[in-house]
Amino acid sequence: DVKVTQSSRYLVKRTGEKVFLECVQDMDHENMFWYRQDPGLGLRLIYFSYDVKMKEKGDIPEGYSVSREKKERFSLILESASTNQTSMYLCASSPGHGNNYGYTFGSGTRLTVV
Amino acid sequence: QKEVEQDPGPLSVPEGAIVSLNCTYSNSAFQYFMWYRQYSRKGPELLMYTYSSGNKEDGRFTAQVDKSSKYISLFIRDSQPSDSATYLCAMNSNYQLIWGAGTKLIIKP
Repeated sequence: DVKVTQSSRYLVKRTGEKVFLECVQDMDHENMFWYRQDPGLGLRLIYFSYDVKMKEKGDIPEGYSVSREKKERFSLILESASTNQTSMYLCASSPGHGNNYGYTFGSGTRLTVV
Repeated sequence: QKEVEQDPGPLSVPEGAIVSLNCTYSNSAFQYFMWYRQYSRKGPELLMYTYSSGNKEDGRFTAQVDKSSKYISLFIRDSQPSDSATYLCAMNSNYQLIWGAGTKLIIKP
């Protein structure tokens, strides 16, 4: 069964901490995405990557960075966590090569910044 | 105006009812139209997709696209309590999907 695995289900971090969220997929997908999901706001794209070492800003990249050193792994970094980054973070991947609809999501990381 | 509009609900219906979930969009270039289902504390999962206009049926689920009206629908027949979830519509734009806000559906036993 294909999978996107996010390293943590729940995280509590302090304001100002550097936070790493890890995502690994085992489907050899080209594209990977980081979203945050907040009540009433839906899914908002933070960053995405369509190849190793490539990254593109999404709709809300401020305060975040990403790293994709290997095809299967896409990391989201909160440089200095703030309370307004408390949210559900979802990682997704898609095959690429013209298939832009078959997104597979991880189970999410619920991050609380105190 | 958002590119994709979706009523957030919640929509509460009795078990066995026919459910209609809808999205409208503004970009006529969209070609793939998807419905994702998200259970509580889980990530979204692809339920159905359609290419261009028309209908697609899968068991109790029917997806419908009307490109002339820029309107898509998901119908659920004989709804079950296990269908209770948030349903998100999505449409493609290059590498990305453009998402609706999601409709929370509650099926009452």
